[in-house]
Amino acid sequence: DAGITQSPRHKVTETGTPVTLRCHQTENHRYMYWYRQDPGHGLRLIHYSYGVKDTDKGEVSDGYSVSRSKTEDFLLTLESATSSQTSVYFCAISEGPQGSGTEAFFGQGTRLTVV
Amino acid sequence: RKEVEQDPGPFNVPEGATVAFNCTYSNSASQSFFWYRQDCRKEPKLLMSVYSSGNEDGRFTAQLNRASQYISLLIRDSKLSDSATYLCVVGFRVWNYQLIWGAGTKLIIKP
Repeated sequence: DAGITQSPRHKVTETGTPVTLRCHQTENHRYMYWYRQDPGHGLRLIHYSYGVKDTDKGEVSDGYSVSRSKTEDFLLTLESATSSQTSVYFCAISEGPQGSGTEAFFGQGTRLTVV
Repeated sequence: RKEVEQDPGPFNVPEGATVAFNCTYSNSASQSFFWYRQDCRKEPKLLMSVYSSGNEDGRFTAQLNRASQYISLLIRDSKLSDSATYLCVVGFRVWNYQLIWGAGTKLIIKP
């Protein structure tokens, strides 16, 4: 299995609080992604990174920010959590850009509940 | 209309049977196609890429029909361990590469 870990795996937080999710990889892959998965929807891209300090928005980026100060770490921050951000969050890594034919490897996911 | 559409199922299939799923996509400029498998409460994992000429990997066969804009996955001699959700994924490039994920088809193999 690809060396990719997410932390925490589960979190319950209150509306309005900031939350940071961490993704750590040991594969030295250039591309890293944050997705959310909700019932009835496919995975939806929140933000992605194509290198250290190089990030861009995805389809559902409102309310989220990211940072990548090292190749191996990609952080997702919910500045002020809302109930609509209750979801399962997946981090993914790939050697090339997703959509180009490169396989994506996923972390185990973080179940976030905002109450 | 969703960009990638799948029948959510569940498909309830007896062990040993053959089952097929289709997935339709709306972007005619799509360039790459995949099937991922996701077990309950787990992360998605690549099952197979789908090539223009169709491809097979053991009991699994994937087909691409560009004219009708759909891809298919056929599973022969289904096993209990095939029970999972199968995600159809389509890639294309506008100004950057993008992946669009289907919501998945749930398969339940029964003994």
